[in-house]
Amino acid sequence: GAGVSQTPSNKVTEKGKYVELRCDPISGHTALYWYRQSLGQGPEFLIYFQGTGAADDSGLPNDRFFAVRPEGSVSTLKIQRTERGDSAVYLCASSLNAMTSGSWSGELFFGEGSRLTVL
Amino acid sequence: AQSVTQLDSQVPVFEEAPVELRCNYSSSVSVYLFWYVQYPNQGLQLLLKYLSGSTLVKGINGFEAEFNKSQTSFHLRKPSVHISDTAEYFCAVSELWAGNNRKLIWGLGTSLAVNP
Repeated sequence: GAGVSQTPSNKVTEKGKYVELRCDPISGHTALYWYRQSLGQGPEFLIYFQGTGAADDSGLPNDRFFAVRPEGSVSTLKIQRTERGDSAVYLCASSLNAMTSGSWSGELFFGEGSRLTVL
Repeated sequence: AQSVTQLDSQVPVFEEAPVELRCNYSSSVSVYLFWYVQYPNQGLQLLLKYLSGSTLVKGINGFEAEFNKSQTSFHLRKPSVHISDTAEYFCAVSELWAGNNRKLIWGLGTSLAVNP
């Protein structure tokens, strides 16, 4: 695809429900990142994939959050038993090489985000 | 731990005026530095980056930034702004640690409002 695609663009759910957010990165990009952005804040790191594996999940706030990337391209962020504090814009980004790679270009390509509202 | 401080949360400016958006970071090791821009209802887009070499870096849309190691700053400047520059601007720092690991640490953002 031309850019990073995220669906849905908007999701409204009730407290306690389960949600899935999808990210389709730029074709050929091996690294994929999930961030969360609350109002008036900068992006907050959640998890980073290199290929199919989660290379760093230290930013996931608790065990209600989980992400997968089974075939090394599309990724899904899963949130169980949603809480009002989970309301935020969830951003996905990809890069050709990992930030840990000596050949990293220094640029992340972001999608437009998925706005999650938990009532 | 490294941190990024964007000193101004909001910067109002008139069209064609110069602007400077300030960014300071705390780190004792070598860093990569970035400015990203987020236009209304759009995703974050890289404006410019400093990885190495010349401390004055030029980006898209006429923006430039200067890396000042002694002052740990990476301020963003544009000599003449346009209405279309109205957006949220984020400074980010990537520090090399624990071997090859890197993470981006973000500032809180500066909202630039260009008025006619």
